Amino acid sequence: DTEVTQTPKHLVMGMTNKKSLKCEQHMGHRAMYWYKQKAKKPPELMFVYSYEKLSINESVPSRFSPECPNSSLLNLHLHALQPEDSALYLCASSGDGFTSTDTQYFGPGTRLTVL
Amino acid sequence: GQQVMQIPQYQHVQEGEDFTTYCNSSTTLSNIQWYKQRPGGHPVFLIQLVKSGEVKKQKRLTFQFGEAKKNSSLHITATQTTDVGTYFCAGRNGYGNKLVFGAGTILRVKS
Repeated sequence: DTEVTQTPKHLVMGMTNKKSLKCEQHMGHRAMYWYKQKAKKPPELMFVYSYEKLSINESVPSRFSPECPNSSLLNLHLHALQPEDSALYLCASSGDGFTSTDTQYFGPGTRLTVL
Repeated sequence: GQQVMQIPQYQHVQEGEDFTTYCNSSTTLSNIQWYKQRPGGHPVFLIQLVKSGEVKKQKRLTFQFGEAKKNSSLHITATQTTDVGTYFCAGRNGYGNKLVFGAGTILRVKS
């Protein structure tokens, strides 16, 4: 089962709100990723967790806070976002994140609108 | 840093025509992956190429990895309306778990 699930599908929030995006996979993968994708652009890497430890932070503003409670779950906590943060937020998972042939599988994404 | 260039940006074809998108890396890649994203959807993994000069086929799709492992192509024979979407290549240079995505090619198919 190559499925990554994400909730919610859509989210509208004000700039003063706090919200969280959730991602789950049951493929036994040990690496999980957050990407941001703007319209007609490729996915842009934000964070990588390998074996539940943050291994990459692509200089993402602190208003985005990732959390990996266990190897199957990944959260992205949002606080004081800006309208330019509106985008499709994609979660992905892969085997271990280190093997050079690791394949990433994407979830359906959360479409975020910041008002 | 590593860059992956992808062309063309857009391609409109008549149904039944062929389509090709090309990726070129500034550095040698350990492997390259291809994804398809339907309008309103998410990237779906298509294939991974690892070996120099590798050619793989999936029905009407043919994927190639260059001899120098710096370029790759995806060719679709006799396009169908179901082929509509954006095709991304994503390369890895073997250091760590970061994929570098090309800009993508948007394919539109006129029936």
